[in-house]
Amino acid sequence: GAVVSQHPSRVICKSGTSVKIECRSLDFQATTMFWYRQFPKQSLMLMATSNEGSKATYEQGVEKDKFLINHASLTLSTLTVTSAHPEDSSFYICSATVLTGPSGNTIYFGEGSWLTVV
Amino acid sequence: GIQVEQSPPDLILQEGANSTLRCNFSDSVNNLQWFHQNPWGQLINLFYIPSGTKQNGRLSATTVATERYSLLYISSSQTTDSGVYFCAVGLMNYGGSQGNLIFGKGTKLSVKP
Repeated sequence: GAVVSQHPSRVICKSGTSVKIECRSLDFQATTMFWYRQFPKQSLMLMATSNEGSKATYEQGVEKDKFLINHASLTLSTLTVTSAHPEDSSFYICSATVLTGPSGNTIYFGEGSWLTVV
Repeated sequence: GIQVEQSPPDLILQEGANSTLRCNFSDSVNNLQWFHQNPWGQLINLFYIPSGTKQNGRLSATTVATERYSLLYISSSQTTDSGVYFCAVGLMNYGGSQGNLIFGKGTKLSVKP
């Protein structure tokens, strides 16, 4: 079945550096992917919609210059956290949608990436 | 914006017990899904159920779209059912594309042996 893979699963970076998280659709093409953020013991919050070949659409309150999203191919979207600070430490998770016909669609989530900024 | 409320926030069950989780949402939606998040963070898609009833093994779900709620039933619970169950909805009235979801705060389920 459809699989969405994220890498890295865990990353620790120093404050002020940038870190890139990859989201790949392994056996299907995804023109649209979504990036979510989850703080410990909280719900997931949509950060942005990643569109292949065009600019990402960011949710209100999400800094586009801090969270750079690139969707250069139909199977890869990347999220780069620039100039990371400890408050950016969080669980980041991506998703992609597979249309399954008249019955609707199925949304697959990646495994998520734990970011710790020290 | 749309509100998604889940209840109860926490639930402790003895293995073998049944449970019902509820999700209320404040506006019309064209996408409603239930997810299970395991302790490692992985989100597992349980049901795509904008309306009607579906069953998958010990799990079943019912959504009454006209009354804006959905229920997730877990029967004969097992310790492996532990984790957080999220309800998430897609926005019909705001032009949201299929795939961007608004999540509830989840129900944390602990099944004791």
